[in-house]
Amino acid sequence: AQKVTQAQTEISVVEKEDVTLDCVYETRDTTYYLFWYKQPPSGELVFLIRRNSFDEQNEISGRYSWNFQKSTSSFNFTITASQVVDSAVYFCALATNAGKSTFGDGTTLTVKP
Amino acid sequence: EAGVAQSPRYKIIEKRQSVAFWCNPISGHATLYWYQQILGQGPKLLIQFQNNGVVDDSQLPKDRFSAERLKGVDSTLKIQPAKLEDSAVYLCASSWGLAGGRAGELFFGEGSRLTVL
Repeated sequence: AQKVTQAQTEISVVEKEDVTLDCVYETRDTTYYLFWYKQPPSGELVFLIRRNSFDEQNEISGRYSWNFQKSTSSFNFTITASQVVDSAVYFCALATNAGKSTFGDGTTLTVKP
Repeated sequence: EAGVAQSPRYKIIEKRQSVAFWCNPISGHATLYWYQQILGQGPKLLIQFQNNGVVDDSQLPKDRFSAERLKGVDSTLKIQPAKLEDSAVYLCASSWGLAGGRAGELFFGEGSRLTVL
């Protein structure tokens, strides 16, 4: 069985601060995929990034960066110079090769002006 | 590209009544999912279809929930009879399929918010 844990329920920062959202996962599969999704107040979850279990390269996309460490089963997400528009609930998810996704309970990020 | 369409957006019913939600996935997406998202929690998978066949319905409360995906395109999720604890947002998602590097990448609809009184 798969499990995803997002220990931070809520985070509040002031605009322009950097913030890291933690994600720890459990799986017995050797092939799996890790994801981050953003859920703004409108409710629709939006895909941000996918990593497969064989690719531990970190990735940067603009102000977003992701750190995948297989040794600690973690897939953390950092927002640099946060903005008010980054306020949302962020979900980490793990998918099997069969396409079944397990989500964490989310981290609510509030960025104050 | 049109996104995943869901209806209705909101539904309020009394307990023991029935309700149905509809989902139309992105054109060409073979896999369709229904998730239940209770306030403050992450989405929980109810059922996964591959074309018109069920891949995983292990977490679907089959005594009251049913889902179908006739013709392998749109899908309907039904709850009958509803309980108070069914109050949640029901999310439909679709993806390209089970194989390859896009496994698990989900495209979500806006959800259907159910309130059971």
